Amino acid sequence: AQSVTQPDIHITVSEGASLELRCNYSYGATPYLFWYVQSPGQGLQLLLKYFSGDTLVQGIKGFEAEFKRSQSSFNLRKPSVHWSDAAEYFCAVSPKGYSTLTFGKGTMLLVSP
Amino acid sequence: DAGVIQSPRHEVTEMGQEVTLRCKLISGHNSLFWYRQTMMRGLELLIYFNNNVPIDDSGMPEDRFSAKMPNASFSTLKIQPSEPRDSAVYFCASSLGGPDQPQHFGDGTRLSIL
Repeated sequence: AQSVTQPDIHITVSEGASLELRCNYSYGATPYLFWYVQSPGQGLQLLLKYFSGDTLVQGIKGFEAEFKRSQSSFNLRKPSVHWSDAAEYFCAVSPKGYSTLTFGKGTMLLVSP
Repeated sequence: DAGVIQSPRHEVTEMGQEVTLRCKLISGHNSLFWYRQTMMRGLELLIYFNNNVPIDDSGMPEDRFSAKMPNASFSTLKIQPSEPRDSAVYFCASSLGGPDQPQHFGDGTRLSIL
């Protein structure tokens, strides 16, 4: 069955430290890949997306993600986390040819002083 | 530019009542998605419209749920009769259409059924 897995429910990172959030997908072919962020009481905002080409993609707010076909992964990274990055992060996939998204269960990022 | 606008932001009602959630798409967008978010099940797609036509309603829980697009810029999601298990945050999102187009989300409606 097609699925998106975010293995970490919660992650706590010190402010200024680096961050990596994991995402693995299970699809027959490489889908389109997305990362969204949700702040409390708000909707989801797109951070970045991968369709093809360069496997390292840059997004907004200093985030980047790397696509690794051999591992079916699309991990999100940030070199230095700010307190304002505390939020819930969702990985999502869209099979090519379809417009609907399937979301992972999300990873809640907590930033400690 | 105005984003996706949802109303109401919060709704509290008693079991058995009809609930109507509203969504205004971003101008020029032709695809509309309704999602439900709960702690147990995460974000689930309920229904997807393209050019006002329902394309995928496989996520609609049961006949108590219905969604419409009376025009290109507006959609409603109705629950009748409502049940406590319908309590969740409901999001709508719009896009320009196509799998390569990002979806833009509203701020959601937090629904509580007592």
